[in-house]
Amino acid sequence: DVKVTQSSRYLVKRTGEKVFLECVQDMDHENMFWYRQDPGLGLRLIYFSYDVKMKEKGDIPEGYSVSREKKERFSLILESASTNQTSMYLCASSSYRQGYLIDGYTFGSGTRLTVV
Amino acid sequence: KNEVEQSPQNLTAQEGEFITINCSYSVGISALHWLQQHPGGGIVSLFMLSSGKKKHGRLIATINIQEKHSSLHIPASHPRDSAVYICAVEGVPKLIFGTGTRLQVFP
Repeated sequence: DVKVTQSSRYLVKRTGEKVFLECVQDMDHENMFWYRQDPGLGLRLIYFSYDVKMKEKGDIPEGYSVSREKKERFSLILESASTNQTSMYLCASSSYRQGYLIDGYTFGSGTRLTVV
Repeated sequence: KNEVEQSPQNLTAQEGEFITINCSYSVGISALHWLQQHPGGGIVSLFMLSSGKKKHGRLIATINIQEKHSSLHIPASHPRDSAVYICAVEGVPKLIFGTGTRLQVFP
């Protein structure tokens, strides 16, 4: 019954490495989101996409990029990982019909990334 | 000032207590969401509401659009209700989150 799948639950990477976080949803949602969650700061939006090959910057896009080549898959890329990118990363998806959100938001189980 | 404010930030209760978590927001919204996050990270959507009141099992959520305020009520709390509860408002097509309320219910 898993609807939004994140490829890794825990990940440890070295400073300077290029890191890929993958997210796949099976609900045919057009909107997909990447958030990071840090203690005391809550969830902050990194990037979102409202269609294939479309992307929009969120509140904290610096140091990240994204790719959406297929509707079901949204990848977050850390071009050169740094220790301040150690965080919990959450993917989510949603869908609108005639301007109304349907089924709410569905979240993945998160990837806890540690950059050493 | 955050656009979405939750209170309290932390809450400790004895099993059976009636719990209320509050959320105030300062922006125009189309809907408000209550989310639950258990230790380990996964987030589950509990409610999406734009007016009135909704129930999800024992949990009840209310919203007052004029006052820009929502409450989440947990009657007869149980240790399994221990989690972080997050309020988020819908700003099409993205959510604006509060920082969450950490609830611990002890037997």
